[in-house]
Amino acid sequence: DAKTTQPTSMDCAEGRAANLPCNHSTISGNEYVYWYRQIHSQGPQYIIHGLKNNETNEMASLIITEDRKSSTLILPHATLRDTAVYYCTLNNAGNMLTFGGGTRLMVKP
Amino acid sequence: EPEVTQTPSHQVTQMGQEVILRCVPISNHLYFYWYRQILGQKVEFLVSFYNNEISEKSEIFDDQFSVERPDGSNFTLKIRSTKLEDSAMYFCASSDEWANTGELFFGEGSRLTVL
Repeated sequence: DAKTTQPTSMDCAEGRAANLPCNHSTISGNEYVYWYRQIHSQGPQYIIHGLKNNETNEMASLIITEDRKSSTLILPHATLRDTAVYYCTLNNAGNMLTFGGGTRLMVKP
Repeated sequence: EPEVTQTPSHQVTQMGQEVILRCVPISNHLYFYWYRQILGQKVEFLVSFYNNEISEKSEIFDDQFSVERPDGSNFTLKIRSTKLEDSAMYFCASSDEWANTGELFFGEGSRLTVL
């Protein structure tokens, strides 16, 4: 019953940009889009979040479509250490995050 | 860089035993959470805690679970009578924001194995 859908897996060449899509067609007006990643079985790590404007930080960029029904996480220069499961999730308050299956990103040399 | 720390990293227990998992959130954070991940499955929300009381809890967080902040630094999850299906990785998290402008900082997790 996750409100987001993501591809199960993706490959990316080291040094290239990794573009991870997420569909959230039922997003409501007060819900933010959050991205986390999980490396092996470590705790999830925050990457970025946004409401409607595109966002960029030292880790990644987040592109949200104008209708807010989908978004794309961009890792501009993927490294082997970026190999992880990437989760797109929605948060309208309270940080009761619902994690779906995520996208398993494999960065290859 | 401040971090959330959890102990133990791995605990093995017999079914029916009580287990306490401990967490030290980031010191200036006010909001605390427990999540769990059964092996190979999704990360699931259990409970959130603020101002010494539960703010939200999921259906998973039934009467066998309880949380406590016994002092100014620790945040604990107690499972009263463990079941086989409680075997999972339990993640503690904290934040300094309740709304949508902050991030959750997760610990490395405590792996619970119930035999």
